[in-house]
Amino acid sequence: DSGVTQTPKHLITATGQRVTLRCSPRSGDLSVYWYQQSLDQGLQFLIHYYNGEERAKGNILERFSAQQFPDLHSELNLSSLELGDSALYFCASSRTEAETQYFGPGTRLLVL
Amino acid sequence: AQKVTQAQTEISVVEKEDVTLDCVYETRDTTYYLFWYKQPPSGELVFLIRRNSFDEQNEISGRYSWNFQKSTSSFNFTITASQVVDSAVYFCALFLAYSGAGSYQLTFGKGTKLSVIP
Repeated sequence: DSGVTQTPKHLITATGQRVTLRCSPRSGDLSVYWYQQSLDQGLQFLIHYYNGEERAKGNILERFSAQQFPDLHSELNLSSLELGDSALYFCASSRTEAETQYFGPGTRLLVL
Repeated sequence: AQKVTQAQTEISVVEKEDVTLDCVYETRDTTYYLFWYKQPPSGELVFLIRRNSFDEQNEISGRYSWNFQKSTSSFNFTITASQVVDSAVYFCALFLAYSGAGSYQLTFGKGTKLSVIP
């Protein structure tokens, strides 16, 4: 158990819908990262927050957004969902920006 | 831009055999970190090791060992006397720790699926 929690574990929804994925980092960790794992793209970095501030964006679609709250938990919002958004979404956290990232169990999203 | 290549897509070994998973990386930066993560069938990503670019010493942890060679930009992972529980997908990743494009994010290889047959 890495100490990073993600909810929900599974999510099934329909095209066009909007979902919110939630992540609670390890106690004391200030950095939160979101990654997407799909069969065709592999593991890809989406976005990074540090102590509430957005620090870097990767291959994140405009339909996706995220934020980190004052209590350091983070949410990833996915809207206007398409079939291709079906994937495993991981959250990771680290104590500072340069330290090892520990991953949560992931949220498996299926868009029908 | 940085890149990580894991040329072996799938490997099958018989239990107790040794197996080496290859990882080759590309970066123009001199300061970076290399990682290995394990993804068992249950799906979570488990951290195994982190090395920084200035430390080329090989590392051993039980049945696991890692060989880092900057001259060939490789960071290979060997499992000695493999066990069924080692069956998983293994990912090599590169991390740049500076304030610039591509920094503070893991760049992953495509992964190597290891199957250990009893």
